[in-house]
Amino acid sequence: DIQLTQSPSFLSASVGDRVTITCRASQGITNSLAWYQQRPGKVPRLLIYAASTLQGEVPSRFSGSASETEFTLTISSLQPEDSATYYCQQLHTYQFTFGPGTKVNIK
Amino acid sequence: QDQLVESGGGVVQPGRSLRLSCVGSGFTFSRYPMHWVRQAPGKGLEWVAFISSDGSNENYADSVKGRFTLFRDNSKETLSLYMNSLGADDTAVYYCARLKWDLIGTAHYYHGLDVWGQGTTVTVSS
Repeated sequence: DIQLTQSPSFLSASVGDRVTITCRASQGITNSLAWYQQRPGKVPRLLIYAASTLQGEVPSRFSGSASETEFTLTISSLQPEDSATYYCQQLHTYQFTFGPGTKVNIK
Repeated sequence: QDQLVESGGGVVQPGRSLRLSCVGSGFTFSRYPMHWVRQAPGKGLEWVAFISSDGSNENYADSVKGRFTLFRDNSKETLSLYMNSLGADDTAVYYCARLKWDLIGTAHYYHGLDVWGQGTTVTVSS
């Protein structure tokens, strides 16, 4: 089965900061990776799919990129409403595993 | 508005069974593969199960394989998750979610879970 790891597991940054979260796959998954945001007490929300395509109505400060088995979610200018846990998910195989999550805290 | 509504959660004793349901509305339910995802208290998201749009293909996480069964009735726009031999590790909020996908040529491209229900809570406790 494909395993996903995320780093860091927790980060604290200020409003306006550029934030980067990394997701690594244990083997190649082409670009079959999605990113989700889950605010406290809320339902997960799809942010990015196919590694770099922004889901409709997601602010343009969010972006995704891929290089081999390493995937990156970037928030170009952190906003207060971005305080949440972010998960990656691989959709390359029929075991649609999630990463363990990265919690983003606003200082 | 595309919507999913789960029901069926509750408190159940270890070893017992439970059936969760998910009803879709606002979209053509039969066109979409569907998933169940769960989240134990204070933990991350765990993918549980997948079913294809016509119900012909199912896949399960190793943690539930052989105990959980997924079924869909497209005429009723309903997804059902039958859970047997429940244990404490199955305690979680269970979400049903719609899979966004494209067909290019003969290849299916699965993009992500773009519509989620509000979740239903399952507590396994004696």
